[in-house]
Amino acid sequence: DQQVKQNSPSLSVQEGRISILNCDYTNSMFDYFLWYKKYPAEGPTFLISISSIKDKNEDGRFTVFLNKSAKHLSLHIVPSQPGDSAVYFCAARKTGANNLFFGTGTRLTVIP
Amino acid sequence: GAGVSQSPSNKVTEKGKDVELRCDPISGHTALYWYRQRLGQGLEFLIYFQGNSAPDKSGLPSDRFSAERTGESVSTLTIQRTQQEDSAVYLCASSLGGGELFFGEGSRLTVL
Repeated sequence: DQQVKQNSPSLSVQEGRISILNCDYTNSMFDYFLWYKKYPAEGPTFLISISSIKDKNEDGRFTVFLNKSAKHLSLHIVPSQPGDSAVYFCAARKTGANNLFFGTGTRLTVIP
Repeated sequence: GAGVSQSPSNKVTEKGKDVELRCDPISGHTALYWYRQRLGQGLEFLIYFQGNSAPDKSGLPSDRFSAERTGESVSTLTIQRTQQEDSAVYLCASSLGGGELFFGEGSRLTVL
């Protein structure tokens, strides 16, 4: 039962343009959401997070938007750079829980 | 190093053999997680350790899987009588407890 879903396995974007990665979740108990980035042969690294009390969090070129009513979040990267090419995982955590539930990932390719 | 260290980085074994995977968390991190990622799948939670509390084993897929952690240091994930469906990258992560997870590079297990 996949509680966090990333329906786009891949995305290609031209350098300098905006990348938008989407994530949907099914469990209304999730209250904290994170994005991780993974390069080949490396472990995932934390990118940005958002609490359910907010609808937007921005960190440099990265912005995460949360729509609780739609159970949807998105990661915007602008401007996209070739070094952003990686697999991006969306993750969510329930109140008081220990583990993160991860999506299946979206492979972003930024074309120079 | 200062990061999460996992060994071996690659392990090829025959079906039916036992394997042990090791994780050295970041010093001072009280929480330790094991996840696995099978081909084309997201990260699947296996087990969580927090200090001296009883571990959360809710993600272990069968009784062939077990894990131990000595205090707030090294953890070992053991898979007995390996099956081909156990082939995956096994990822360890540590955190200060409730905070951002820092992942190791993973141990790639191939069961022939």
